[in-house]
This record gives sequence, structure tokens and C-alpha cells, in this order.
Amino acid sequence: DAGVTQSPTHLIKTRGQQVTLRCSPKSGHDTVSWYQQALGQGPQFIFQYYEEEERQRGNFPDRFSGHQFPNYSSELNVNALLLGDSALYLCASSLAQGGGYTFGSGTRLTVV
Amino acid sequence: DAKTTQPTSMDCAEGRAANLPCNHSTISGNEYVYWYRQIHSQGPQYIIHGLKNNETNEMASLIITEDRKSSTLILPHATLRDTAVYYCIVRSGTGTASKLTFGTGTRLQVTL
Repeated sequence: DAGVTQSPTHLIKTRGQQVTLRCSPKSGHDTVSWYQQALGQGPQFIFQYYEEEERQRGNFPDRFSGHQFPNYSSELNVNALLLGDSALYLCASSLAQGGGYTFGSGTRLTVV
Repeated sequence: DAKTTQPTSMDCAEGRAANLPCNHSTISGNEYVYWYRQIHSQGPQYIIHGLKNNETNEMASLIITEDRKSSTLILPHATLRDTAVYYCIVRSGTGTASKLTFGTGTRLQVTL
């Protein structure tokens, strides 16, 4: 039973560029959330998607956007990258009715 | 959003029980307490969650005080592989509009 799969695992981008990160949820899960984890910090909630709509959003600027597809997979897009966007980006999937969240191993984004 | 307070670090001898405390004094009546751990910047691993009753699974036990303002995660027989950062989290919202608010966690070091 595959868990949450994220791609790519590592990425290096230049300031000002745009990036797209991808996530495939655990089999059977229908809700996807994204988190940003800076070095030495706990993960910070970005947003959550269910039924292809953004349902909840954290304190992140509009440069951060997402999408959920009919197969429940999801993308996180970040425009106009800043050096401060360098972090581990984590995807978590869950069931709408509750229970545990399963996290992927993350994508480490480095902005230079 | 309810915040959690945890010790920055703790040590535990291998084979002994590890008791990790957490304060969540502003928790609301319908907010769950979740515990996750993270090893070497991998994705957080789900341990256990609860609302008001004590919970036990194959990994750990969760003891929640009657007033729900604090909880303790118990790893009954710690091993070296339990060395990790442990996050006590309050889940706010419900179902498809929920999020996990992470703190800075407790770094547990299990030693021989």
C-alpha cells in the first residue's frame, strides 16, 4: 500500500523563478494538505484541498497556489521565488471524515 | 489556533519509558490532540491522536488530562530508533477544512 509520494525530492531554483511540486496521496485518501518546513522549525500549514477546491488556507501570500485533480493528486505552485522560500515542502493526505494524516518525505527546495 | 508548549529536549535510556509532556491550555472542546515524530528531516510520522479519552496503540499511549489542557505521550520501551523530534499538535477545524498547527517540538535523545 503506497503512502504519500512527492516529486521531485530535491530542487534548486533561482530567485524570481516559478516552481511546481507534486503529490500523490495515500491510496483511499481524498484530502491533501501542504506544509512548509524551514530549517530547524516545525511545519507550517499552507493550504488544504478537497474535491478540487481550496478549503482552508494558512498565512501564506498569493504567490503560493495549488490544485487538486480528480484522482486526488495535488500540485503546489510558488511564483516569484524568494530566498526565504527555501524549505522542505511536505504534502499530507487524509480522509475527509477525520483520522490520521499521512505525510510524504517532502521536496527540498533551495532558492539561490 | 490553539498553541502547544513542549520541552525543547529530553533524554531517555534505552529500554525505559519515555514520557513527553505537552501543554495546550487554549484547546477548544472539539479540537483533537495529535502526536507526530520526525527523523532526520523526513516526513512526520503519525503516532497517535485523541480527543479526551486516553488512547493506546502499538506505538505509544496518550494520556490527556481531564481538563484537556495538557497531555503526555508515553513510549513504553524506548529504543535508539525512537530518537527523533516529537511534535504535539492541535488539529483545528473539522474534516475538509482542518489543519495541524505544529510547534517547535521536543528533541528526544535515546541513549544506551
